[in-house]
Amino acid sequence: DAGVIQSPRHEVTEMGQEVTLRCKPISGHDYLFWYRQTMMRGLELLIYFNNNVPIDDSGMPEDRFSAKMPNASFSTLKIQPSEPRDSAVYFCASSFRGGDYGYTFGSGTRLTVV
Amino acid sequence: AQTVTQSQPEMSVQEAETVTLSCTYDTSENNYYLFWYKQPPSRQMILVIRQEAYKQQNATENRFSVNFQKAAKSFSLKISDSQLGDTAMYFCAYLDSNYQLIWGAGTKLIIKP
Repeated sequence: DAGVIQSPRHEVTEMGQEVTLRCKPISGHDYLFWYRQTMMRGLELLIYFNNNVPIDDSGMPEDRFSAKMPNASFSTLKIQPSEPRDSAVYFCASSFRGGDYGYTFGSGTRLTVV
Repeated sequence: AQTVTQSQPEMSVQEAETVTLSCTYDTSENNYYLFWYKQPPSRQMILVIRQEAYKQQNATENRFSVNFQKAAKSFSLKISDSQLGDTAMYFCAYLDSNYQLIWGAGTKLIIKP
């Protein structure tokens, strides 16, 4: 298995633009998580899905952020409009049966909003 | 609410030495899972080791082992024969009953040649 695949690896965009981050989880994993990592706040859980259904989105910072999982093999995190304070590394992770064997992380997307 | 504390922001040791990273946590649950993750400069989050709370035996993965003290709520990571490639941030994490990982702040480990 290729692991969790995220794209793009780096994204630089101008303030106000729409940004879409993509994730392909490991086949057979039924949980998918979106995290944001910054030096100031560390790792923050934004939202997670179980069997493609959003379970908890209380970590989504505000309405500018949205996430979808249209099928078991694809998820997106969208920021519209983007702001400089959204600059961070965004990770997608997937797990089987809730994560008692751990999460598998993608390599992350470094987002820079200028 | 569960919390995870890593009290060592940064550590450095010489190559081939043994190093122990500390982690304590707070929970009222009896059955749970604990993890150590490694994040090298490449930023990939890599699972190092996993411990099931109901198992007395400490988990071991090659040069990595844990000292799990359930009563003390302590979960330290020992790295034996440290290598340059072990240089990374190390995060301790607790899996709560909602299947969410509660993370420590991390320990930056530097292995010196």
